[in-house]
Amino acid sequence: AQSVTQLGSHVSVSEGALVLLRCNYSSSVPPYLFWYVQYPNQGLQLLLKYTSAATLVKGINDFEAEFKKSETSFHLTKPSAHMSDAAEYFCAVSDRRGAQKLVFGQGTRLTINP
Amino acid sequence: SAVISQKPSRDICQRGTSLTIQCQVDSQVTMMFWYRQQPGQSLTLIATANQGSEATYESGFVIDKFPISRPNLTFSTLTVSNMSPEDSSIYLCSVSTTASLYEQYFGPGTRLTVT
Repeated sequence: AQSVTQLGSHVSVSEGALVLLRCNYSSSVPPYLFWYVQYPNQGLQLLLKYTSAATLVKGINDFEAEFKKSETSFHLTKPSAHMSDAAEYFCAVSDRRGAQKLVFGQGTRLTINP
Repeated sequence: SAVISQKPSRDICQRGTSLTIQCQVDSQVTMMFWYRQQPGQSLTLIATANQGSEATYESGFVIDKFPISRPNLTFSTLTVSNMSPEDSSIYLCSVSTTASLYEQYFGPGTRLTVT
């Protein structure tokens, strides 16, 4: 069975600082991995995805994530935080075998301090 | 990407009643899914809505409690039956398309409060 663990339910950084949100996955088959963002009272927006091409994936709003098979990790980073980045972030894993079911991590709430 | 709308956006319901949530997509999609997000928690898949046949439910979810319909490639409904306060959640519809099978796009969600 697949699973996702997000380390840190709440991360707080200063505006302009590096953002690092951690995600580790467990999967018996090569996974597809995703990061989604949820702004207050909204649905989920796809930030980026890993589907076996380049291990360093770039997404929207200057976010990027690196797939590290040896560490079973897919951490999300952004070089410089902006106030508008304050939101809930979810890491998710999908089974490549066709079920397309997404298994989500518990989420990390990102707070940006002025 | 597909544009997804959900109705209602929010509702307050009394226990013992039922609520049907609609999900409408602006284009034909391959797969449609329903998720539940309980207060302060992550998303859990309820079921995959299959066009023209019975939905495929995940462990812990049953058809009698969450009947789902998908009459065509752009529309689906989820009913929350015989509601209790524990059903208070955000219910989200998501879709994937032929062009991007493994990406899912989410609707804005329906915020349900059961009193």
